Amino acid sequence: ETGVTQTPRHLVMGMTNKKSLKCEQHLGHNAMYWYKQSAKKPLELMFVYNFKEQTENNSVPSRFSPECPNSSHLFLHLHTLQPEDSALYLCASSQDLLAGGTYEQYFGPGTRLTVT
Amino acid sequence: GQNIDQPTEMTATEGAIVQINCTYQTSGFNGLFWYQQHAGEAPTFLSYNVLDGLEEKGRFSSFLSRSKGYSYLLLKELQMKDSASYLCAAMDSNYQLIWGAGTKLIIKP
Repeated sequence: ETGVTQTPRHLVMGMTNKKSLKCEQHLGHNAMYWYKQSAKKPLELMFVYNFKEQTENNSVPSRFSPECPNSSHLFLHLHTLQPEDSALYLCASSQDLLAGGTYEQYFGPGTRLTVT
Repeated sequence: GQNIDQPTEMTATEGAIVQINCTYQTSGFNGLFWYQQHAGEAPTFLSYNVLDGLEEKGRFSSFLSRSKGYSYLLLKELQMKDSASYLCAAMDSNYQLIWGAGTKLIIKP
């Protein structure tokens, strides 16, 4: 596997379910991100991890819970979601935020989430 | 506040040139990025500007004016495969990307 992978690619869940999204990067990066992408809206940054430490939480509801066990893996645990949480959830990685350079982010293909 | 503005949609003809504009307001500035996103796919990196001027990369060029808070992406010799959304993003003082909503580019034969 190369680049950034995400599983599952599609997920339908009820409002009382618990599920997890998984992201893995094979680029040797140390920063990882979760974004939410809704139709015709800007990408919304949810969480940032740098060297496994959470450095950003953009006022995300507690029904979204991130986990970063190591620099290559990132999870987003979901519980009691609302229909308005239906969106494309994108994972990205970059060089660590203190390394210098361009910090370009590499994205995974996303998980299309539908909450019913 | 922090804000990125770019047109919602543009239409151009195959073989032509199109310029997609972006204006930004951020707390601090660490560079301007352009990404391409085809429908149903992940955004892919196109260009990065941190100094004023034009950066050319094949058929794509990107321009930055820091004093004006302005950038554009120039696409030459348009091909049908260039039909996609083009996302402008500015990096703020915390090295976080502030994203525009994207410009959907439609290429007609």
